[in-house]
Formats: sequence, C-alpha cells, structure tokens
Amino acid sequence: GAVVSQHPSRVICKSGTSVKIECRSLDFQATTMFWYRQFPKQSLMLMATSNEGSKATYEQGVEKDKFLINHASLTLSTLTVTSAHPEDSSFYICSASRTKAFFGQGTRLTVV
Amino acid sequence: GENVEQHPSTLSVQEGDSAVIKCTYSDSASNYFPWYKQELGKRPQLIIDIRSNVGEKKDQRIAVTLNKTAKHFSLHITETQPEDSAVYFCAASIGSGSEKLVFGKGTKLTVNP
Repeated sequence: GAVVSQHPSRVICKSGTSVKIECRSLDFQATTMFWYRQFPKQSLMLMATSNEGSKATYEQGVEKDKFLINHASLTLSTLTVTSAHPEDSSFYICSASRTKAFFGQGTRLTVV
Repeated sequence: GENVEQHPSTLSVQEGDSAVIKCTYSDSASNYFPWYKQELGKRPQLIIDIRSNVGEKKDQRIAVTLNKTAKHFSLHITETQPEDSAVYFCAASIGSGSEKLVFGKGTKLTVNP
C-alpha cells in the first residue's frame, strides 16, 4: 500500500507552547490529506481536511486558530497545535488517499 | 451528516472460532466502506474494504458483506488467531466519491488461545 509518514511520533511540550506535526506522502502526491484526533480507547475523529494550495476545511467544533493546517506541497501537510493545553493531549493521526486511505503512524502529544 | 454505528464494542472469542462485527450507516450516498485494524499505540491498518457496487468481498480469512438497502455492512473473521486481537474500526465515506471517512466507535476483539 501507499506510504504515509508522520513526524514526530511522540512529543512532550509545556503548556502555552506550540507544536508542529508533519505528514508526508512518500510515494504519491496527495492534493488532500486528513487530520484526525484519537483519545484513549476512542475512535478517530476527523478534525480537518487539508487542501494543497488552499485553506483547510475544519469540522464543526474544531478551532481553526488553534489547529493551524498548512498544505504547501503535494506531499506535505503540517498541523500546528498553538498555545497547547493539557486537554490537547491526544493521539493525532493524518491520512492521505490513493484510491484508499492510508494513515501515518500517529503523533502522541502530551502537554504538561 | 453521516453517522456510523458499530457493534459490539467488545468481543471475546476462542482461537479458531469466527468473529463478526457489524456496522450501520446513515448516508445513503456513501459508497465506500473500509475496515481498519489498530493495535495499541499504532496506526490503523486497512484490512479490507468494499465499494457499493458489490455485496461481498473476501480475502483469505477475512470477508466483508454489504447490504445497501438496509445500510449495514459486516466484517467476518474466520479461524481466529491470537494475533487477530486488536481494535477494529469500520468506516463509511462521506457522500459518494469522497475520501473523507466517518469511523465507528471500534470493537475490541480478544482471541483467547
């Protein structure tokens, strides 16, 4: 299947700081990528759709000013969690589709 | 919007038995239904999928069935093995031809040796 790489896999940051997560499609071009958040023992919740060359589309209830998404190239989307708080601690996963959706390995964010 | 219900939330079977997980969806325009397996702390892995133009698809010990009229689809795992233990998620596309997915809440499958 297609390869989607996400970095970093784990990050610990202090409350109030910002964290950037990268999602790359390694062997195909993706005009659209998706960002999900997953809390422990829960399902994947779609946060936003990242569109190459244009603004991201956010799901209802997701703060666009807090979760900044940039999709500057056909192989890279970034999610920046700004002014992180402990309640933002979660597992963030990106996906990209090549007829089927493939996921990055996820980023475990812990805000202390 | 699309809503996906998944049952059961937990399932425990003996090695060699079959396991069945069921999902229902609400948007009749959905036309793509993948199933993912997720081990603890890891990414979801696509194990099988089905599109709305077929009613059943099989890949070795795994099969998926789709009933578009009733808007439900099921995952069937036969001859279960301990390594099948994981959380399984069903998903449905949002609308037709969409890459966006809505996921069920997941089923934790435990296969006892």
